[in-house]
Amino acid sequence: EAGVTQFPSHSVIEKGQTVTLRCDPISGHDNLYWYRRVMGKEIKFLLHFVKESKQDESGMPNNRFLAERTGGTYSTLKVQPAELEDSGVYFCASSQDPYTSGRGRTYRNEQFFGPGTRLTVL
Amino acid sequence: EDQVTQSPEALRLQEGESSSLNCSYTVSGLRGLFWYRQDPGKGPEFLFTLYSAGEEKEKERLKATLTKKESFLHITAPKPEDSATYLCAVRASGGSYIPTFGRGTSLIVHP
Repeated sequence: EAGVTQFPSHSVIEKGQTVTLRCDPISGHDNLYWYRRVMGKEIKFLLHFVKESKQDESGMPNNRFLAERTGGTYSTLKVQPAELEDSGVYFCASSQDPYTSGRGRTYRNEQFFGPGTRLTVL
Repeated sequence: EDQVTQSPEALRLQEGESSSLNCSYTVSGLRGLFWYRQDPGKGPEFLFTLYSAGEEKEKERLKATLTKKESFLHITAPKPEDSATYLCAVRASGGSYIPTFGRGTSLIVHP
């Protein structure tokens, strides 16, 4: 089974330009997440899709960031226009829906991460 | 606000020298504590999920434990291939799927 894939692996752009990152989740995973790690800091949540709908976009830094997931399959994250502080590694992750075991415990399924896209804004 | 603090930031061990990594957390109702391994240039790789105090999970040379305030990742007789950054994350109650990550512990195991 293929894992989460991301494209490109690296992107170097100048301030003011536009960049689009792509994420292909694991087949059958309705939940898709975007995260970002700025150098020296922890991984931070950006947004969460359930199928094609945005479930939670509370982590999106500002309106220069636009995420889409048309058809509930792959997702894109566009940064327009890019600023210096947007540099970092952008991770995508996917997971199945949570389920409840026979004992009544609800498991919120683990997230599987892609390799990330390293974005450098000069 | 949920917080996760990992220590130490970096750890160097000799092959075979057992040790533990710490993850201290503050969360309003724990709904899961996660350990991930991350190799350079790759995304985090899921290792364990712990749900309640007293729970333990093992995988090869790794053993994760959980209390009400912290989790430990014990590494027994590590090998050079265990070198990686180990990330801890917590998920709080309230129905959110969103984990809060720590900054990680960078582990280097020398042969």
